[in-house]
Amino acid sequence: GENVEQHPSTLSVQEGDSAVIKCTYSDSASNYFPWYKQELGKRPQLIIDIRSNVGEKKDQRIAVTLNKTAKHFSLHITETQPEDSAVYFCAARTGSARQLTFGSGTQLTVLP
Amino acid sequence: DTAVSQTPKYLVTQMGNDKSIKCEQNLGHDTMYWYKQDSKKFLKIMFSYNNKELIINETVPNRFSPKSPDKAHLNLHINSLELGDSAVYFCASSPDPGTLRYFGPGTRLTVT
Repeated sequence: GENVEQHPSTLSVQEGDSAVIKCTYSDSASNYFPWYKQELGKRPQLIIDIRSNVGEKKDQRIAVTLNKTAKHFSLHITETQPEDSAVYFCAARTGSARQLTFGSGTQLTVLP
Repeated sequence: DTAVSQTPKYLVTQMGNDKSIKCEQNLGHDTMYWYKQDSKKFLKIMFSYNNKELIINETVPNRFSPKSPDKAHLNLHINSLELGDSAVYFCASSPDPGTLRYFGPGTRLTVT
């Protein structure tokens, strides 16, 4: 089955700096890669996703890049703000699967 | 309007008891899920239903039994609760299997 590894587990950045979280997946047939943000005590929320036929996707200050050859995808947050502080989860889905495999999460702290 | 709702939000109970968590979505989605989030924040799928049909049943003790009376509802019943069942349980829904669009607010279950 699919295996997703996420790094780093914790990340601290200064407000205004960029943050990058990276995930690697094992199954080359994976074709869908969403990212979720979970604030303390809240539900996870889908913030961006990318499919395997696209190399990059942007939505305001967040972007996701996909490298199918290396089997990794990354979340980029620019101009970080304190409200970006949360746990971020990546996930991957293989073509034939009907479920997502989640990474272990990254606690992002944006220092004012 | 609330997209995915769960009740109760908090559930404190003693070992050996039986309890239920209810979930409803008003999005018209075909697929609903139950996820368990443990103290280390890891998200683990438990069950998935598509159009009231069980399509994913992960390695979960048979003390856990899902029930989908219709496409908009997915309930979770837990028998003979154990200390290790303490976690946050999230319901979620999506238009199709293999994606995960909205999580419910979660039910924090504490077994004493």
